[in-house]
Amino acid sequence: GQNIDQPTEMTATEGAIVQINCTYQTSGFNGLFWYQQHAGEAPTFLSYNVLDGLEEKGRFSSFLSRSKGYSYLLLKELQMKDSASYLCAVRSNDYKLSFGAGTTVTVRA
Amino acid sequence: DAGVIQSPRHEVTEMGQEVTLRCKPISGHDYLFWYRQTMMRGLELLIYFNNNVPIDDSGMPEDRFSAKMPNASFSTLKIQPSEPRDSAVYFCASSATLSVGELFFGEGSRLTVL
Repeated sequence: GQNIDQPTEMTATEGAIVQINCTYQTSGFNGLFWYQQHAGEAPTFLSYNVLDGLEEKGRFSSFLSRSKGYSYLLLKELQMKDSASYLCAVRSNDYKLSFGAGTTVTVRA
Repeated sequence: DAGVIQSPRHEVTEMGQEVTLRCKPISGHDYLFWYRQTMMRGLELLIYFNNNVPIDDSGMPEDRFSAKMPNASFSTLKIQPSEPRDSAVYFCASSATLSVGELFFGEGSRLTVL
């Protein structure tokens, strides 16, 4: 199975940068995903990494190191609308996707 | 594309009653997942299907829970009898094995068992 750890909460100022770390242990790795979930809404897909390195998509970037079982999501130029929960999820070889508990990011003016 | 459609959006029922949640995945997607989300336990995978066949139901809490996928466009999650501890938001999600295979979530069914 998977064991996924990420911080519970983070707070940052509008315009700043925040990095959300995720560590995982899995038997059979087949990709790491980041999802964003606003309060009362469904999770929405942000990024995907299956090879080591950095994937950049606008203000959001995600990094993966498979040997270390480590990923981070980088949010740049924070906006108030970025206040949400960010979920790290690991897919195993049987296509099962397991989620971490989520990191609640609060952006302050 | 209509996205993943779930019903009902909200359900309030009394302990002991049967609850049926419904899901229509995105057309062409061959994987369907049922998750449950609570404040205490986060997003838990209950069961998932590939081409209408259940692959892993190890996350189903107990025999009171059952899920079916009679065809590629419909799935149900049934709780019988329901208990207060089943109160949660139940999400259905679908994905396709082509490309990235990210999950697309429905808007969820919020269940309250009194």
